[in-house]
Order: sequence, then C-alpha cells, then structure tokens
Amino acid sequence: SAVISQKPSRDICQRGTSLTIQCQVDSQVTMMFWYRQQPGQSLTLIATANQGSEATYESGFVIDKFPISRPNLTFSTLTVSNMSPEDSSIYLCSAAGGQETQYFGPGTRLLVL
Amino acid sequence: GQQLNQSPQSMFIQEGEDVSMNCTSSSIFNTWLWYKQDPGEGPVLLIALYKAGELTSNGRLTAQFGITRKDSFLNISASIPSDVGIYFCAGPIYNAGNMLTFGGGTRLMVKP
Repeated sequence: SAVISQKPSRDICQRGTSLTIQCQVDSQVTMMFWYRQQPGQSLTLIATANQGSEATYESGFVIDKFPISRPNLTFSTLTVSNMSPEDSSIYLCSAAGGQETQYFGPGTRLLVL
Repeated sequence: GQQLNQSPQSMFIQEGEDVSMNCTSSSIFNTWLWYKQDPGEGPVLLIALYKAGELTSNGRLTAQFGITRKDSFLNISASIPSDVGIYFCAGPIYNAGNMLTFGGGTRLMVKP
C-alpha cells in the first residue's frame, strides 16, 4: 500500500484568500484524487489529478475555484481559491492502489473565518 | 446512479458487543471496499471483496460480498474502545477506472 502525506494538516484562513494543499505519495502512482469531506458527511470527489494534463472535475466543482497540479507521478496540489466559510471542510487526497482500491492521506482540516 | 446506502447511520454500543452494519445499492458492484476513518485521520482500507458470496476476515472484522452483488455487510466482534470511528463502504464507479463512490458512513461509538 502507498503512504501518503499532506501539508498542511490544518489551517485557519481569512475569507477571500487562497490555500494550496500538497499531497506526496511514497511511490509512483497512476491516479491521484482529491476529495472534500464536510463536517459529519461522507467523501465527495472533487477531481481526478492527471499527470501531464488538466484535472478532471466532478459536477459542482470548477477549475477556477479548485485548481489542481500534478507535475509528476508522486505529487499533487489542490488550491482552494477565494475562500468563504462554506469552504471549511476536510480535504483529502488519495492514490489508486491495485485492484480498484484507493489509499488516503491524513487530510487537511480547513477553517475559513 | 451508483449510490450506496449505508445503515445504520450511527451506533452506540457497549464494549464487548458485536456490531453489524450494511451497505446496499440498486446497482451491481463487482468490488466492495470497507474503510475506517479514525477521528482526525483519513480513511484506512480494512477489507476488499471481489467475488459474490465472498466472506473475508481481518482480525475481529468480517465482511461479506452479497450474492446479488448489490449489498455488503461488515461485522465487528467483541468491540473495543479503539473501534470508535466512522466506517464507510465504497465501490468502483462503472467504467471510470479507479474512481470510487462512498456510502454515507456508520459512526460507531463504544462505551467502555
């Protein structure tokens, strides 16, 4: 299984600012994903981070709000832009494992004031 | 769509009791995954099921892949305080590579 780290682990931000979250995998993986988990809720997929091309966004999520980079097979970033209190959430990255599994990072806990 | 309905939403049990939770869908799944999320952490894969009827154990955890391929069960025997957390079922979205859809989660609380 892959070991995934995320930075920062938590942050408190002012509305209108942007935060970039980093995700590092300890091995090369073909697919990486970004999820949002609102308080008390399940995981919602934001986008698939594609290496060498633009991310693929799910319905309700747009590139201007959540730009994603994937410069290589072990690293990705998610930026939460022009934040509002509604963006307060846990943001999780994951990497595809074998046999349709995914392995998750510890999450980034974001509070927007 | 391929939605997963998980029940119960929460459980508050006494230490030592057995726990059972399930996940159902109107769609067929070829893989069922069970994850646990500890407070303040990301989800961790507990058990993966790949064949209808399959019964797989991981310590005190046992999960089954339903014969109809539309449901799965997770049982925890002799619960202990560290079993506290949220348990999610998940399955791959049809024709979407490694993308997963998640159930709503079962929040387990254990009273010592």
